[in-house]
Amino acid sequence: DVKVTQSSRYLVKRTGEKVFLECVQDMDHENMFWYRQDPGLGLRLIYFSYDVKMKEKGDIPEGYSVSREKKERFSLILESASTNQTSMYLCASSWAGGMAQHFGDGTRLSIL
Amino acid sequence: GQQLNQSPQSMFIQEGEDVSMNCTSSSIFNTWLWYKQDPGEGPVLLIALYKAGELTSNGRLTAQFGITRKDSFLNISASIPSDVGIYFCAGRLTGNQFYFGTGTSLTVIP
Repeated sequence: DVKVTQSSRYLVKRTGEKVFLECVQDMDHENMFWYRQDPGLGLRLIYFSYDVKMKEKGDIPEGYSVSREKKERFSLILESASTNQTSMYLCASSWAGGMAQHFGDGTRLSIL
Repeated sequence: GQQLNQSPQSMFIQEGEDVSMNCTSSSIFNTWLWYKQDPGEGPVLLIALYKAGELTSNGRLTAQFGITRKDSFLNISASIPSDVGIYFCAGRLTGNQFYFGTGTSLTVIP
């Protein structure tokens, strides 16, 4: 079975802090993704990566950056956290070529 | 980004009833996925569809890739209490990006 592990289930940070969310997958998948999930809005893509050191913007990249130094690890960075970034963050991975994505359990992030 | 219209938004059904939900798009998609999400958890993949007209089952779940490639359907037969959750569709145009529907919340009344 595919295992996508997100480092924290719950996280509380303060406005202006730099926040790191980590994700690790164990299936040697080429693609990794970061989404945020908000009530009534479904899942929205923030960034994705199709290879080490490669990244592409999704639909809502503003206020975020990402890092992929190793194939199995994809980090989401909130450069200066703001209250409107309070949300559920989901990481996913997949094989190349548009194959089905597998999700981690999510990190519920609160910015105070 | 692309808009996927998923309906209904919520359903309240009696245990044992069948369930139908669907997802439509204004664009032609090449892949459709269906996920279920339990409270506080990440979405779990139920069914993946890669060809127009494809009909795929996973236990009591059956999903179809619409022949127009602009829609997909998910049916659950003989619902049970553990079917409770939010069901999401996701579609892919080209490349690696999927677009997600806003979800159908299913409540099963014992």
